[in-house]
Amino acid sequence: DVKVTQSSRYLVKRTGEKVFLECVQDMDHENMFWYRQDPGLGLRLIYFSYDVKMKEKGDIPEGYSVSREKKERFSLILESASTNQTSMYLCASSTDLSGNTIYFGEGSWLTVV
Amino acid sequence: RKEVEQDPGPFNVPEGATVAFNCTYSNSASQSFFWYRQDCRKEPKLLMSVYSSGNEDGRFTAQLNRASQYISLLIRDSKLSDSATYLCVVLPYNNNDMRFGAGTRLTVKP
Repeated sequence: DVKVTQSSRYLVKRTGEKVFLECVQDMDHENMFWYRQDPGLGLRLIYFSYDVKMKEKGDIPEGYSVSREKKERFSLILESASTNQTSMYLCASSTDLSGNTIYFGEGSWLTVV
Repeated sequence: RKEVEQDPGPFNVPEGATVAFNCTYSNSASQSFFWYRQDCRKEPKLLMSVYSSGNEDGRFTAQLNRASQYISLLIRDSKLSDSATYLCVVLPYNNNDMRFGAGTRLTVKP
């Protein structure tokens, strides 16, 4: 089975803190994604990466950055957390760009106070 | 107007009922369509793809209406275990740009 692991399930951070969300996949997928999910808004793409050291902005990249130094690992960074970044963050990976091969991690619930 | 719209529900139905959800999309160039299921505080998981000719998987039937730009999901003989949020997902052709609906919440009651 494909495994996408998000190391932190629940975090509480203070405004202004730097936050790292880590994601690891074990299926050698080229593509990795970070989404956030908010009530009534669905999943929104923050960033994605189609190869090591490659990254592309999604719909809502402001306030976030990413790092992909190794194929299996894709990190989301909040340089200075703000309360409007309180959300559930989902990492995903896929073998191609079709919608039926994308696998999600269990999610990271971030609260910024 | 949102790119992908779903009735948020909740739909509360008794066991054994038939329930249907619709999802409308705004991008007429969209080529691929899916239904995902998401349990409470869990990740979304693929339920089924939606093909132009319609497709069925056990108690679940998905249909696509390109002219009216909507897809539907029909669940027959609802089970308690069907309680979840159902996400409509739309994908423009060969584009890393999946569009998710906000989801329709279903609760099946004994």
